[in-house]
Amino acid sequence: SQELEQSPQSLIVQEGKNLTINCTSSKTLYGLYWYKQKYGEGLIFLMMLQKGGEEKSHEKITAKLDEKKQQSSLHITASQPSHAGIYLCGAATQGGSEKLVFGKGTKLTVNP
Amino acid sequence: SQTIHQWPATLVQPVGSPLSLECTVEGTSNPNLYWYRQAAGRGLQLLFYSVGIGQISSEVPQNLSASRPQDRQFILSSKKLLLSDSGFYLCAWSRQGGKDTQYFGPGTRLTVL
Repeated sequence: SQELEQSPQSLIVQEGKNLTINCTSSKTLYGLYWYKQKYGEGLIFLMMLQKGGEEKSHEKITAKLDEKKQQSSLHITASQPSHAGIYLCGAATQGGSEKLVFGKGTKLTVNP
Repeated sequence: SQTIHQWPATLVQPVGSPLSLECTVEGTSNPNLYWYRQAAGRGLQLLFYSVGIGQISSEVPQNLSASRPQDRQFILSSKKLLLSDSGFYLCAWSRQGGKDTQYFGPGTRLTVL
């Protein structure tokens, strides 16, 4: 079965610093989703990547999917306290599947 | 626009008591619906998903069951709760057809004592 490994598990940065979170799959990714979760709340959809080499940005967050479609990275530029939370990657288990598997998440703390 | 609701927001139940969590979606029709459980250190685990009324797929054998009595209503139930059922339960929906983004509800925090 497909597994997603996220690194690091947790990250503490100073406000204004850049950071990167990685998501690695044991199999080819058929759609890679990034979500953000505040403690005790639901997941908020950030971005979805499908094609090898694809890159998307929203405000100060950029997500990339590598050419081999087995690794994705989430990069935050000039982090702010509002970026704090848990970031999860999710992936379709196979082409056309309705189901997603998720990584265990990366907990981000941004100190002012 | 579409919205997804879950209730209750929090629940504290004794071991052996029944459970019913409800999820409803507004603003779309014939969605795929999902129940997940999020437990500390274990990530997000898919419990059930449904592609239509009365169609339920179970992902993990457990003490829980799911039903979809109406197109946009998804219910998670148990006849007798176990301590291990404690966790954060999330409902999600996506459009039919696969490979579409899942959108999550606000979640229900269940504590079994």
